Amino acid sequence: DAMVIQNPRYQVTQFGKPVTLSCSQTLNHNVMYWYQQKSSQAPKLLFHYYDKDFNNEADTPDNFQSRRPNTSFCFLDIRSPGLGDAAMYLCATSRGSYNEQFFGPGTRLTVL
Amino acid sequence: GESVGLHLPTLSVQEGDNSIINCAYSNSASDYFIWYKQESGKGPQFIIDIRSNMDKRQGQRVTVLLNKTVKHLSLQIAATQPGDSAVYFCAETSGAGNMLTFGGGTRLMVKP
Repeated sequence: DAMVIQNPRYQVTQFGKPVTLSCSQTLNHNVMYWYQQKSSQAPKLLFHYYDKDFNNEADTPDNFQSRRPNTSFCFLDIRSPGLGDAAMYLCATSRGSYNEQFFGPGTRLTVL
Repeated sequence: GESVGLHLPTLSVQEGDNSIINCAYSNSASDYFIWYKQESGKGPQFIIDIRSNMDKRQGQRVTVLLNKTVKHLSLQIAATQPGDSAVYFCAETSGAGNMLTFGGGTRLMVKP
């Protein structure tokens, strides 16, 4: 089945220790997104790639970076995780604009 | 750790009853709307979408109503089942159509 895959599902890191979350898709969608979702809150868009074009949300901290080496993969790098970065990180994909976004299962990040 | 989130509004219904979940949006330029269902520990799952040139769209057991005059969106679930228990988010987009803005979410609890 075509899908959005996120690894790992659970990630524990230490305060200030860089961490990378990964997302892959078999849908061949050209747009990929990263969202942060905290407990009992709505997902909040961090950034997205439209093909190779990177689009950063204005309020996304510099601590968060992303890479998309090819159509299928997208990475979220957190350079120096703080306690406030503990959250569920969701990857999503879509076929262009004005189409539904397909979400992965998320990676739950714990910062010790 | 994770910051404490807001308590989600909760709708509690009896199995077999109809459910109505409401969402207000503020951007009058929003022209595409989606309802997502999110079960605990999972990513959001697409339920139904509607474009701003429509005021009603039906799916299987679900209906979305859009009132652009008052900027209101609703999701109706017919014959609610225990498997419908989840958090429901409305999302809107405008302009380039890539960036979804999520509403606050409503927790639906179905009593057997």
